[in-house]
Amino acid sequence: ILNVEQSPQSLHVQEGDSTNFTCSFPSSNFYALHWYRWETAKSPEALFVMTLNGDEKKKGRISATLNTKEGYSYLYIKGSQPEDSATYLCAYLMGAQKLVFGQGTRLTINP
Amino acid sequence: DSGVTQTPKHLITATGQRVTLRCSPRSGDLSVYWYQQSLDQGLQFLIQYYNGEERAKGNILERFSAQQFPDLHSELNLSSLELGDSALYFCASSVGGASGVNEQFFGPGTRLTVL
Repeated sequence: ILNVEQSPQSLHVQEGDSTNFTCSFPSSNFYALHWYRWETAKSPEALFVMTLNGDEKKKGRISATLNTKEGYSYLYIKGSQPEDSATYLCAYLMGAQKLVFGQGTRLTINP
Repeated sequence: DSGVTQTPKHLITATGQRVTLRCSPRSGDLSVYWYQQSLDQGLQFLIQYYNGEERAKGNILERFSAQQFPDLHSELNLSSLELGDSALYFCASSVGGASGVNEQFFGPGTRLTVL
């Protein structure tokens, strides 16, 4: 059974603070890792697709790193804002076609 | 707005019935993916179509089937419905056929309630 683990499950952060959370995945036969942002009552929105060990991607205040050898990816949010409140999902590409999603990290930014 | 449309938004039906969910991908996208989000589970990949052909299969029950039409819209058919089929069903689309390198754009979802 393929496990994609995300930690923590939930996180409360004060507005203005920076935060990060983890996605762990199998380190063998790596193809790609996706990160999605999912706001309540909306649909998941793609943040990053990462394919190479050592990849670092950035979009505004959000960035992600990838370590395929040890099987983890970190998502960082700098200077959290209330609009960053959402569930952040990572998804591991199993084989060449199937995305396996983690359960997500639910982030709440307290004003 | 991702550009992916799904209809209907909500669907309430009874056990044993059959329903069809519809998805139109973003303009130019050739791949369509279907996912199921149940209360106690994360997003589960069901099936992918690329340019009219089935490309990958996930944990899709035999009671479920899908197809992609020449105009690239897709339908997910769910039959002999059970209470446990109640879930949010998402469609997503991407440009290419290899989901590894292409981000997926999700539609708003269809919430299915089986009574």
